[in-house]
Order: sequence, then structure tokens, then C-alpha cells
Amino acid sequence: GAVVSQHPSWVICKSGTSVKIECRSLDFQATTMFWYRQFPKQSLMLMATSNEGSKATYEQGVEKDKFLINHASLTLSTLTVTSAHPEDSSFYICSAGTSGIFGLLNEQFFGPGTRLTVL
Amino acid sequence: QKEVEQNSGPLSVPEGAIASLNCTYSDRGSQSFFWYRQYSGKSPELIMSIYSNGDKEDGRFTAQLNKASQYVSLLIRDSQPSDSATYLCAVLPYNTDKLIFGTGTRLQVFP
Repeated sequence: GAVVSQHPSWVICKSGTSVKIECRSLDFQATTMFWYRQFPKQSLMLMATSNEGSKATYEQGVEKDKFLINHASLTLSTLTVTSAHPEDSSFYICSAGTSGIFGLLNEQFFGPGTRLTVL
Repeated sequence: QKEVEQNSGPLSVPEGAIASLNCTYSDRGSQSFFWYRQYSGKSPELIMSIYSNGDKEDGRFTAQLNKASQYVSLLIRDSQPSDSATYLCAVLPYNTDKLIFGTGTRLQVFP
């Protein structure tokens, strides 16, 4: 399968600081990238969908000014958690997908995730 | 509300047995179906995709799709302790890019 990387794999920061997480598709061009959050023993929660060169689409209840997403190229998307607070501590996972023959999303491949701890 | 339902488990099977994981979905127009494996503390890993009715085999894994019954399953033959993980069923509804995930079934394979 395709390879998606994330950096950093874990980060600890102080409350009030901002943290940037990078997601890269290493061996394919991703038309769409997704950002998920997962709390312990809970299911994946989609935060936003981003397409290269356009604004991200956020899910209901996700603050777009707090979780800034930039999809600068077909291989790179970034998520910046601004003014992080302890309740933002979670496992953040990106995924990348390609369009199938009908232009719809084909398979999605997940990055290894970033564990964020806000003190 | 599009939904994907899975039994949360745990499903416990002995080593060498067949593990059968099931999933139902609500959107009849869904076209693409996926099984992901997620080890504790790790991100999901795609193990099978299936798009048409019937069976699709890949090594010890077989995915089965029945669109009329809105049902998709995953069989793991010769289960190994290393297969112990949470298995997520994911469905791509018609005309959307967003996968709908089930809550996952925790599989435990004991020696």
C-alpha cells in the first residue's frame, strides 16, 4: 500500500502554545487529505477534509480558527493546533487518498499518528 | 444519518481458528468498503478493500460483501496472536469523500 508519514510522532507542549503537525504522502499524490482525532478507547473522529489548493472543510463542532489546516501541495498537509490546552491532548492521525476512476475517493491510507500532550 | 455498525467485542478465538468479523451499513448507495486493523496506540492500517458483491481473498484474509443485505464481513483464517487488534469497518457512501467508520471490533487470539 501507499505510504503516509507524519511528523512529529509525539509532542509535549505547554498550554497556550501552538503545535504544527505535518502529513506527507511519500509515494503518491494525494488529491484529498483528512485529519482525524482519537481519544483513548474511542473511535476515530473526522476533524476536517482538505484538498490541495483549497480551504479545508471542517466537521461540525470543530473550530476552524483553532485547528488550522493547510494543504499546500499534493503531497503535504499541515495541521496547526493553536493555543493548545490540556483538553486538546489526543492522538491526531492524518490520512491521504487518491481519486478513483469516477473521480471519487479510492483507498485512504493513514499516517502513523501524532500523540499530542498539552501540559 | 449514515451509519456503520459493528459488534464491539471482544471476540476471542483460539490460535489457528477462523475469526469472523461482521459489519452492517445503512447507506444502500455505498460503493466502497474497507477493513482496517488498528493495534493499540497505533494508527489504522488498511488490510482489505472490496467493491463488488462476493468474496475477495488476500492471504489469510477474506472479505465478503452482500450489498442486498448491506453487510460486509472479514474472515481471518489460521488466526495468530499477532492478529489481536481492533478491526474497523469503513464504508464510503455514494458521492462523498468521507469514510464512515464503525466503532470497531476488538479481536483477541489466545495461544
